Amino acid sequence: EIVMTQSPATLSVSPGESATLSCRASQSVRSNLAWYQQKPGQAPRLLIYGASTRATGIPARFSGSGSGTEFTLTISSLQSEDFAVYYCQQYYNWPPWTFGQGAKVEIK
Amino acid sequence: QVQLQESGPGLVKPSGTLSLTCTVSGGSIASTKFWSWVRQPPGKGLEWIGEIYFNGSPNYSPSPSLEGRVSISVDMSTNQVSLKLTSATAADTAVYYCARGGGGALAEPFDLWGPGTPVVVSS
Repeated sequence: EIVMTQSPATLSVSPGESATLSCRASQSVRSNLAWYQQKPGQAPRLLIYGASTRATGIPARFSGSGSGTEFTLTISSLQSEDFAVYYCQQYYNWPPWTFGQGAKVEIK
Repeated sequence: QVQLQESGPGLVKPSGTLSLTCTVSGGSIASTKFWSWVRQPPGKGLEWIGEIYFNGSPNYSPSPSLEGRVSISVDMSTNQVSLKLTSATAADTAVYYCARGGGGALAEPFDLWGPGTPVVVSS
């Protein structure tokens, strides 16, 4: 099973600033890496797939990078609606498909 | 557009069977996509349970907490995917999501999710 580790667990950011979240895989997942956003009481929403491709309707301030075992999600100029929990997920090696433990972006 | 909606009992007794249904609307379940179940215990992260293709065998998580207790099936006549989890315990208390994606060797992200349905295992 591939273990996904996210850091930091919590990131405090002021609106308008940028946020950078990291995700590390215990073995290479090539570019089969997705990022999801989850707000309280809601289902996760796909933001990024293929490590760097934005899903339909996702604003350009969300960007993903990386390959192999190290990945980054950057949110530039944070808006109020961006404060949420973010999960990375590998879809390279299965079963099982695995998620990171989540990273909360909170208002500073 | 395609939408997913989970349904089923919100309360299950310990040692009972948790049974949920995911209804696919706005499109056919017989598409080139897999359909997965993901759960999220209160205040915790996401755990993939298993997946199924409309005409194929299901794939299940080998997690010790789930192994041997999960059954996923498809009903093409009703456009539904079903989840059964036997021998339920309090550890199975979670919000259960239906999601499109997974895919075994096809390997796709979960690009569409249902709103989720909470299930509590308690006497």
